[in-house]
Amino acid sequence: DVKVTQSSRYLVKRTGEKVFLECVQDMDHENMFWYRQDPGLGLRLIYFSYDVKMKEKGDIPEGYSVSREKKERFSLILESASTNQTSMYLCASSPLGLAGRVANIQYFGAGTRLSVL
Amino acid sequence: RKEVEQDPGPFNVPEGATVAFNCTYSNSASQSFFWYRQDCRKEPKLLMSVYSSGNEDGRFTAQLNRASQYISLLIRDSKLSDSATYLCVVNRRGSQGNLIFGKGTKLSVKP
Repeated sequence: DVKVTQSSRYLVKRTGEKVFLECVQDMDHENMFWYRQDPGLGLRLIYFSYDVKMKEKGDIPEGYSVSREKKERFSLILESASTNQTSMYLCASSPLGLAGRVANIQYFGAGTRLSVL
Repeated sequence: RKEVEQDPGPFNVPEGATVAFNCTYSNSASQSFFWYRQDCRKEPKLLMSVYSSGNEDGRFTAQLNRASQYISLLIRDSKLSDSATYLCVVNRRGSQGNLIFGKGTKLSVKP
């Protein structure tokens, strides 16, 4: 079974703090993703990565950065947390699709519910 | 047209009912289609992939109409355990590996 593990289920931080959300997958997947999910807005893509040390912006990258030093680990960083970053954060991974073109199934971690006070 | 659009719901149905969810997508070049299920306060999980010829998995049937850019999910003989939010998912234009998730349709199956 594919396993995607997020380091924390619940996190409470103060405004201005630097926050690290960690995600590890055990299936040697090339692709990794960070989303946030808010009521009424659905899943929104923050950043994704196709390979080690590679990153690309998603739809809402402002206020976030990422790091992928090893294939199995993808970290999301909130440089200076703000109250509007209170949300559920979901990490996902997927293998490369057919011929590297067709999107493949994404497997999600259990999520981190972050509250910024 | 929004990239992926679903029935807003919620759908409240009795046990044993048949329920259908619809979804439209804007990118005519999309090649990958899925239905995910998300239980309350849990992560999304793959329910089934959607193939051009349509496919069935037990009580669940998925259909794809490329000409109309339309995907459907039919659940027969609804169970209480089917209560969840169902997300329509399509690959993102011009980007390998990247998916767009619909906002989901909430289903509540009542005894």
